[in-house]
Amino acid sequence: EADIYQTPRYLVIGTGKKITLECSQTMGHDKMYWYQQDPGMELHLIHYSYGVNSTEKGDLSSESTVSRIRTEHFPLTLESARPSHTSQYLCASSEYSYNSPLHFGNGTRLTVT
Amino acid sequence: DAKTTQPPSMDCAEGRAANLPCNHSTISGNEYVYWYRQIHSQGPQYIIHGLKNNETNEMASLIITEDRKSSTLILPHATLRDTAVYYCIVRVRGGGTSYGKLTFGQGTILTVHP
Repeated sequence: EADIYQTPRYLVIGTGKKITLECSQTMGHDKMYWYQQDPGMELHLIHYSYGVNSTEKGDLSSESTVSRIRTEHFPLTLESARPSHTSQYLCASSEYSYNSPLHFGNGTRLTVT
Repeated sequence: DAKTTQPPSMDCAEGRAANLPCNHSTISGNEYVYWYRQIHSQGPQYIIHGLKNNETNEMASLIITEDRKSSTLILPHATLRDTAVYYCIVRVRGGGTSYGKLTFGQGTILTVHP
């Protein structure tokens, strides 16, 4: 069973606030990902990482930033939250080999008022 | 990426087999087919993947046609808890920035009814 954890599960915050969404995995996976998903819509990749000190932007433009200082930790930060950032954010990880499946956390549902 | 086409929705009676089709006619020879599902408000759950041979695990079976242009996910005895959105995905292979990413489409909403 995959062990990947996201906190908080739900977050309601005012416009202009800085927020960090946490993601941790205990499987020692090299690769980690952030996806964004609006209700009933497709998942869109916004960031990914191949390993420590490696981060790349995904397919969907995002105003968020990520860091990967430790293998197990891949936080996502919004410097100034806006209502357009309201969405569900899903973190995932996988082993390094190209055909390894992704394991997802249960997501953070963010609402910016 | 090879694109996939799935029916938007399907129904299945509880206890019966659920057969979910997927078309991936532009798949390349070394691209894998993956299946995930997403139950409301949760993260996607990995089900199974395969290259060209049929695969089976404790959750499901995956049947890939010989020409690899389509596949079918089979849930042998569907339960109410199998109600979810099922995604068929072709995995981007290769180096560079596309390495290992998954592109999720709209998927198939499977409803299992009593």
